Amino acid sequence: RKEVEQDPGPFNVPEGATVAFNCTYSNSASQSFFWYRQDCRKEPKLLMSVYSSGNEDGRFTAQLNRASQYISLLIRDSKLSDSATYLCVVRPSGGYQKVTFGIGTKLQVIP
Amino acid sequence: EAGVVQSPRYKIIEKKQPVAFWCNPISGHNTLYWYLQNLGQGPELLIRYENEEAVDDSQLPKDRFSAERLKGVDSTLKIQPAELGDSAVYLCASSLTTRRGDTEAFFGQGTRLTVV
Repeated sequence: RKEVEQDPGPFNVPEGATVAFNCTYSNSASQSFFWYRQDCRKEPKLLMSVYSSGNEDGRFTAQLNRASQYISLLIRDSKLSDSATYLCVVRPSGGYQKVTFGIGTKLQVIP
Repeated sequence: EAGVVQSPRYKIIEKKQPVAFWCNPISGHNTLYWYLQNLGQGPELLIRYENEEAVDDSQLPKDRFSAERLKGVDSTLKIQPAELGDSAVYLCASSLTTRRGDTEAFFGQGTRLTVV
């Protein structure tokens, strides 16, 4: 089983729709979680960290389910500009914290 | 403030030729990463430096890849000789590592390598 698994998509959704992505991780010792956004032919950029209690940033909500070992990203009221690949990032606890990226989920918001 | 700067942005070389990539991290960031990203995949760590020390190079193919960060600031990644399968985007990132952990990693725009 891969350390971090994501559905590569693409998820094609109409403008204004709500869409959610999940990301599962295999290492139960994982402690820090992030969502990065990567536009086509651009570098990844941090979208948001994922906290144990869940967190929201505008139209974006991130949640963590430690029991089932997955994190989720919910996007409400999708905009055309949300079209991108969303990368799940997991970092275990420990002295040296190696970060593992998922393959990314591609989102295409259509007019 | 300048972000992570990488050069060149694009490189096309023939197989068996050497190639080098350069990265200048964000000022003050002590940790530097080189990642490889293939099409449709997430970035995969090649090497991580804390200051001038390579603390994780377990994924670096050492038969043909080498990296250095001599003064703990900018870094070069070299491939010699390049193979067709090395065609990918090479991303550099930097962050600040303290006793409390790493800050957010910022990425450069990457070098897109094509080996023909």
